[in-house]
Amino acid sequence: DSGVTQTPKHLITATGQRVTLRCSPRSGDLSVYWYQQSLDQGLQFLIQYYNGEERAKGNILERFSAQQFPDLHSELNLSSLELGDSALYFCASSVSHQETQYFGPGTRLLVL
Amino acid sequence: LAKTTQPISMDSYEGQEVNITCSHNNIATNDYITWYQQFPSQGPRFIIQGYKTKVTNEVASLFIPADRKSSTLSLPRVSLSDTAVYYCLVGAKAAGNKLTFGGGTRVLVKP
Repeated sequence: DSGVTQTPKHLITATGQRVTLRCSPRSGDLSVYWYQQSLDQGLQFLIQYYNGEERAKGNILERFSAQQFPDLHSELNLSSLELGDSALYFCASSVSHQETQYFGPGTRLLVL
Repeated sequence: LAKTTQPISMDSYEGQEVNITCSHNNIATNDYITWYQQFPSQGPRFIIQGYKTKVTNEVASLFIPADRKSSTLSLPRVSLSDTAVYYCLVGAKAAGNKLTFGGGTRVLVKP
């Protein structure tokens, strides 16, 4: 158990819908990262937040957005969902900028 | 943005040493090298991190030559439970850096 929690574990929705994935970092970690992993694909970095501020951006679609709240939990919002958005979404946290990242168990999203 | 290249897959047998090399030719001065292990449908797990020369912990060793253009993860005496995908990650300990995972190496440990 890494100490990072993600909810929900599984999510099934339809195309065009919007979903919110939630992540709680390890106690004391200020930085949160979001990754997408499609079937048989490697991990694609989406976005990083540090203490509430966006710190780094990867290949995140404009339909996707994220934020980190004052209590340091983070949410990833996915809108206008497409079939290709079906994937595992992982959250990771670290103490500060790109220190060792600890990953959560992931949210499996299935868009039908 | 440091791109990484790893072998797609490797097979080994229980008790053998497994060495996985990651190439990162355009690694920046302030980039660190980190390796993660991932089992199916689970989040990646941190294995080891280093900047130069050699780093060793209870599960692996990381060898980084002087030019830092590659690194080798060494797993001593692997067991069946070491069957997983291993990712090489290169990134800076600095604000605004972009994080890049390699394609991953699928290691299969056979009995």
